[in-house]
Amino acid sequence: SQTIHQWPATLVQPVGSPLSLECTVEGTSNPNLYWYRQAAGRGLQLLFYSVGIGQISSEVPQNLSASRPQDRQFILSSKKLLLSDSGFYLCAGEAGANVLTFGAGSRLTVL
Amino acid sequence: GENVEQHPSTLSVQEGDSAVIKCTYSDSASNYFPWYKQELGKGPQLIIDIRSNVGEKKDQRIAVTLNKTAKHFSLHITETQPEDSAVYFCAASGTGANNLFFGTGTRLTVIP
Repeated sequence: SQTIHQWPATLVQPVGSPLSLECTVEGTSNPNLYWYRQAAGRGLQLLFYSVGIGQISSEVPQNLSASRPQDRQFILSSKKLLLSDSGFYLCAGEAGANVLTFGAGSRLTVL
Repeated sequence: GENVEQHPSTLSVQEGDSAVIKCTYSDSASNYFPWYKQELGKGPQLIIDIRSNVGEKKDQRIAVTLNKTAKHFSLHITETQPEDSAVYFCAASGTGANNLFFGTGTRLTVIP
């Protein structure tokens, strides 16, 4: 079965600082991978997805970027964080036929 | 694109009672409808899903019903327990998980 590992679990960063959230997948090869953001009291917003190494699709314009340097690694980054980037970020892998497995999430607070 | 609406946003039930959460969707091409449970500070976990070729699916105390004509689907939890307390999300999808659209969630509280 597929397991998604995310880190760090929590992060407090000043405005204007860089960001790097990491996600690794265990249990499957060449999975589709996804980054979601969850704002308080709201649903899940898809930010990026990747169908393979170096292949990134962005769903919404924003201050963030994603990269997939290895088959089982997916990274969410920013060069300069904004206050509005605060939120709960979730990495997910597609286990097959639209079925998503989520990581435990990374809570980012930008001050 | 797809639009998924979920109701209610909060739900409190007494332990042992049933809980029902309802979702509607807009795209008649959607054919996959999962439900996720998210406990505090954790990622969502898939608890049950249904595809458009069936109208109902059950797994122990959890069931999902789908009405494709009316474009709505529901989650039913019977004999609720305190550990059922969490936020529940519905979703609807056509082809590919990048086309998976989530509802805004229902916070379920089971009162002992």
